[in-house]
Parts: sequence; C-alpha cells; structure tokens
Amino acid sequence: QKEVEQDPGPLSVPEGAIVSLNCTYSNSAFQYFMWYRQYSRKGPELLMYTYSSGNKEDGRFTAQVDKSSKYISLFIRDSQPSDSATYLCAPGRSGNTPLVFGKGTRLSVIA
Amino acid sequence: GAGVSQTPSNKVTEKGKYVELRCDPISGHTALYWYRQSLGQGPEFLIYFQGTGAADDSGLPNDRFFAVRPEGSVSTLKIQRTERGDSAVYLCASSFGTPNTGELFFGEGSRLTVL
Repeated sequence: QKEVEQDPGPLSVPEGAIVSLNCTYSNSAFQYFMWYRQYSRKGPELLMYTYSSGNKEDGRFTAQVDKSSKYISLFIRDSQPSDSATYLCAPGRSGNTPLVFGKGTRLSVIA
Repeated sequence: GAGVSQTPSNKVTEKGKYVELRCDPISGHTALYWYRQSLGQGPEFLIYFQGTGAADDSGLPNDRFFAVRPEGSVSTLKIQRTERGDSAVYLCASSFGTPNTGELFFGEGSRLTVL
C-alpha cells in the first residue's frame, strides 16, 4: 500500500460548483498536512497547511483532516476556471523528513 | 531573481549520456530538495540538503544519481549513463528551516527526455 493515495481524476465541474478533493494515508506518523496546487508546466505552490484534525478555512478553500480515519479533504467553494489545476495532497512527519506527495487530482472548471 | 531558478528548462539527451541539472534556490533558504515527477504522477522525493550536506538521500533510485550543494546555495543533480526511464520533470524546491516548519517553494522544473 502506498503511503498516500489520491484519485488522479480527471475531475470536470461547471463554474460555481463545490469541489471535493480527497486523499487517504497509511502512516500514523504524519503530523501535518499540506495541499499544493500545480498549474500545467509549473512547479507546485502551497495552497493550505494544517497541523491537526479539524477544519481550516482560507477564502473559498477549506482543508479538513480526520486523523482517526487517515483521511484528508480539500473543498473549493464557488469554483472558478482559474482553479483548473492539479491538486496534490502532501502529508509530512516531524523534523527532517521530507514531504510525501500524492499522485494529484487534475481538476477542470468549465465556464 | 525572487524565485527558485532551474536550468535547463528542457534537456533532450541520448541513452547512456551524462546530464547535469542546476538549481538556484531562493536566497537565504537553508534547505533544498530535489523531486522527480513523471507524467500523471505526483512529485517523488529524491534528496534533501540542509546547508551543504545531504540530510536525506533515501530517494535517489540508484548510484547513477548524485547531487551536490558545495557552498550551501546552488545545487546540481547529476545523472550518469541515462536511461529512458529517467525521462521526467526534475523539480527543485527550497525552504527555510526543516521540512515541517514551512512552505516549499518550487522551481518550474527541468524536463529531461532520454531518447
């Protein structure tokens, strides 16, 4: 079993839709959870960072972590065509251990 | 520049050749990372430097891959005897401190094609 599982999509939604992106992970040592967004032919950029179970909101984006079920979600409200990108979940352990990335979910928001 | 700079942006080489990929991190960032991303996959960790030393090189796939960061700034990823399976985008990232303390800033990557 891979450490991080993420449905690669592609996922296509109409503009204004609520989008739900999800990851599962297997390693209980993961303590913090990041979501990166990657536009085509660009490097990933940090979107959200959460350290504990629960919800964190930033504008139209909400990150949700459930450590008991090892489940991570990213919700996008009022999705826009500019949200079309690949979304990568990236859980991390403490200290010097580098981030592990999921496969990424490719999202297309159609105007 | 303000961001992470990677050169070349594209590299086409023949099987068996030697390749060097360069990364110029954000000034002042002590940590530098190399990841590899194949088509349709997420970034796969290769090696992580803290200063001049490799803090974790567990992701390097075999001894054909080697990376250096001699002065704690610019890093070079070196691939010997390239194989077609090495074709991928090689991403470099930098950050302050340790991986769990802050954001990784990525470059746009070096796209390597081995014919």
